[in-house]
Amino acid sequence: GESVGLHLPTLSVQEGDNSIINCAYSNSASDYFIWYKQESGKGPQFIIDIRSNMDKRQGQRVTVLLNKTVKHLSLQIAATQPGDSAVYFCAARNYGQNFVFGPGTRLSVLP
Amino acid sequence: EAGVAQSPRYKIIEKRQSVAFWCNPISGHATLYWYQQILGQGPKLLIQFQNNGVVDDSQLPKDRFSAERLKGVDSTLKIQPAKLEDSAVYLCASSLGVRVMNTEAFFGQGTRLTVV
Repeated sequence: GESVGLHLPTLSVQEGDNSIINCAYSNSASDYFIWYKQESGKGPQFIIDIRSNMDKRQGQRVTVLLNKTVKHLSLQIAATQPGDSAVYFCAARNYGQNFVFGPGTRLSVLP
Repeated sequence: EAGVAQSPRYKIIEKRQSVAFWCNPISGHATLYWYQQILGQGPKLLIQFQNNGVVDDSQLPKDRFSAERLKGVDSTLKIQPAKLEDSAVYLCASSLGVRVMNTEAFFGQGTRLTVV
């Protein structure tokens, strides 16, 4: 099976700084990864995804890095804003199977 | 495009009572998931449907939880009888299909269940 874990349960950053949230997964057969953002009282919302044949993908202010050698995934948020405050989850999937979520990192943006 | 709809948003019941949650996925999404999210944790899959068939229910406590998706569209999740440890947010999600690459799961807002 798959298990997904995070390195830090909480992260505080100054507004304008860059944020890096890390995630580790256990199953080398995982082929698709997603970062979700969950704000209070809402369901998880898709941020960015990456396939296992890639090692980097960029979106608007976000970058996901995948290191398959050490089974590690990271989410980088550039110029962090107050609206980025939320809990961030990484999720891993094996082809044909379901998503397994990590425990989440709560990001707090300090003024 | 309408998102995943869930109801009710909140539910408070006493232990040993029963409760049901409803989910209507995004139109055209073949796969539907029910997740349980305990406070401070990531979502944990309870059951996954592909159309109206069950793909994975290995983590569903079948002695008290049941789910159905009779016509391959909307779904209900039931708990009977409820226990205190069932207090959680129950999230429904849908995706185009498990065997489709690069298809994320879209989540509803969830139902927050409190068992007292």
